Amino acid sequence: AQSVTQLGSHVSVSEGALVLLRCNYSSSVPPYLFWYVQYPNQGLQLLLKYTSAATLVKGINGFEAEFKKSETSFHLTKPSAHMSDAAEYFCAVTHNNAGNMLTFGGGTRLMVKP
Amino acid sequence: EAQVTQNPRYLITVTGKKLTVTCSQNMNHEYMSWYRQDPGLGLRQIYYSMNVEVTDKGDVPEGYKVSRKEKRNFPLILESPSPNQTSLYFCASRTGQSNNQPQHFGDGTRLSIL
Repeated sequence: AQSVTQLGSHVSVSEGALVLLRCNYSSSVPPYLFWYVQYPNQGLQLLLKYTSAATLVKGINGFEAEFKKSETSFHLTKPSAHMSDAAEYFCAVTHNNAGNMLTFGGGTRLMVKP
Repeated sequence: EAQVTQNPRYLITVTGKKLTVTCSQNMNHEYMSWYRQDPGLGLRQIYYSMNVEVTDKGDVPEGYKVSRKEKRNFPLILESPSPNQTSLYFCASRTGQSNNQPQHFGDGTRLSIL
């Protein structure tokens, strides 16, 4: 079985501050990991994905995430938050033997203060 | 433009009145899926389809039906809706080659069952 835990359902940062959104996964085999962003009244958009190549993955809008197998983590970071980053962020996990199931975490709502 | 289109975007209805939410994609994707999104629970998979006439249950299939008669369409059917099916629903698609491909999401359908 696979699972995802996102620590912190709400995170608030000031504009220009570091963004850190946490994701820990559980998977018995090498995982594929995704971060998606959801803006209000919209569907999910892919930010970045890890598929067993480089452990540091760069995505759109200045976001990146690092796959750490020893910590079973895939935290999302951005050096400097913009107001436009305010949204809900979802981490998701799957793998080759997952029977085509994609398992999502509970989501983290990012708020950016001016 | 590559997209996943869901209709309707919003629906308020009453318990027991059959409804269908349509989903169509124009990317010739083999894989399509339905999710429901509830606060704090992230997205949970209802059903998915690997190709025409091939469907399978996800994590929360009870009370739902799907069909895949054409590659581009994957309707979600609630035969006898109940209030616990009030939720935000998303359809998604991806190429069927591997689980490491990202899913493309529609803009969502907000269902309220009274």
